Amino acid sequence: DGGITQSPKYLFRKEGQNVTLSCEQNLNHDAMYWYRQDPGQGLRLIYYSQIVNDFQKGDIAEGYSVSREKKESFPLTVTSAQKNPTAFYLCASRRMQGASDTQYFGPGTRLTVL
Amino acid sequence: GQQLNQSPQSMFIQEGEDVSMNCTSSSIFNTWLWYKQDPGEGPVLLIALYKAGELTSNGRLTAQFGTTRKDSFLNISASIPSDVGIYFCAGQRTSYDKVIFGPGTSLSVIP
Repeated sequence: DGGITQSPKYLFRKEGQNVTLSCEQNLNHDAMYWYRQDPGQGLRLIYYSQIVNDFQKGDIAEGYSVSREKKESFPLTVTSAQKNPTAFYLCASRRMQGASDTQYFGPGTRLTVL
Repeated sequence: GQQLNQSPQSMFIQEGEDVSMNCTSSSIFNTWLWYKQDPGEGPVLLIALYKAGELTSNGRLTAQFGTTRKDSFLNISASIPSDVGIYFCAGQRTSYDKVIFGPGTSLSVIP
């Protein structure tokens, strides 16, 4: 079964704890992305990576960190420095070999910090 | 930075009605994308457009790539309850650029 998987679907953490969200893809896509979505809001880019061992900050990177050690994996760590971490987190990926290579999303992880 | 505007922000329509929404940009894009997000799920790609003036259909959905390359339109014919969700437009200049997303249009269908 090909696609993008995010686990877990729901995640609860206590305030002050770091938490890592998983994103895996078996589509052999080059680029991977993390977005944050708040209720009734659009998608805001946190971090993205176009190649293994390289990544760039998006529009709201403060309080987050990522790694890209393998092409198929792009975990996101929400650190205690993130002031308002409760949100819906979406991972996406795409090939980058042609103009028709579009971006696909995972099912999302809803993080609630208590 | 680049921004996309979507209108309307939200819509409440009767089942069976047709729906039109649009997306505009201050910059030129070479690819326009339309996604639908169901509550609690990730967005799903509906239609991708790659050429100015292109008109593409996917079932009851039809999308157009504006001739100025600064806008795109999505139409849904004969709406049904499962059309409920948030519709996002997105634009991309080249295959190496980030995809830029609009704020979304929320669609509610009254049975």
